Amino acid sequence: RKEVEQDPGPFNVPEGATVAFNCTYSNSASQSFFWYRQDCRKEPKLLMSVYSSGNEDGRFTAQLNRASQYISLLIRDSKLSDSATYLCVVPFQGAQKLVFGQGTRLTINP
Amino acid sequence: DGGITQSPKYLFRKEGQNVTLSCEQNLNHDAMYWYRQDPGQGLRLIYYSQIVNDFQKGDIAEGYSVSREKKESFPLTVTSAQKNPTAFYLCASRLAPGNTGELFFGEGSRLTVL
Repeated sequence: RKEVEQDPGPFNVPEGATVAFNCTYSNSASQSFFWYRQDCRKEPKLLMSVYSSGNEDGRFTAQLNRASQYISLLIRDSKLSDSATYLCVVPFQGAQKLVFGQGTRLTINP
Repeated sequence: DGGITQSPKYLFRKEGQNVTLSCEQNLNHDAMYWYRQDPGQGLRLIYYSQIVNDFQKGDIAEGYSVSREKKESFPLTVTSAQKNPTAFYLCASRLAPGNTGELFFGEGSRLTVL
C-alpha cells in the first residue's frame, strides 16, 4: 500500500458547485496533516492544517477520519480561481519525514 | 523578508555532468527538505535534514547527494548517476523536525538535461 494516496482526477466542476476529495494514508500514528494548493509550474502553498478532527476556513473544510485513515477537503461555492492541484501531506517517522500525495487536479468551469 | 531562496531558477545540463542546486533560508528553521516533481505528479522526497551535519535519505535518494554544513543552507547535487534528472526541484524548510508546523517552499529550480 502506498504511504499516501489521492485520486489524481481531473475533477471538472461548474462554478458555484461543491467538490470534495480524499487522501488516504498508511501510518496510523500520524497526528498532523496538511492540504497544499499548487498552481501550474509554481511551488505549493499551504491551504489548511488539520490537527484534530477537522478545520474550517471560509469556503474550505478539511476533515480527519483517524479510524479509516483519511483526510478530506471540501470546497463550497467554488470559484474559477480555485482551479489548481491540491496536495495532501502526511507525516511519517515521528513527523520528521513529510510525504506528499500525487495531487488531485481540479478545474472549475464558468 | 524571511523566506527560502533557490537558485538557479532554470538550469540546463549535458548528460554526464554533475550540477548543484542551491537552497538558502533565513527563517531560522532547523529542518530542511528536497523534493522532486515530475509533470503531472506529486512531490517525491529526495533527502531531508533535521539539524546541521545530519541528513537522511528520502524515497528517491539514488543519484543525489546533499550537505548541511550550515543551518541556513542545504545544497543538492544531482550527479551523473541519476538516470532521469530532468525535473522540477523544490526545497522546503520547517521550524523543527517532529513539530506540527507547515512546510515553507522556495520557488523551485527547473533542471533540463540535454
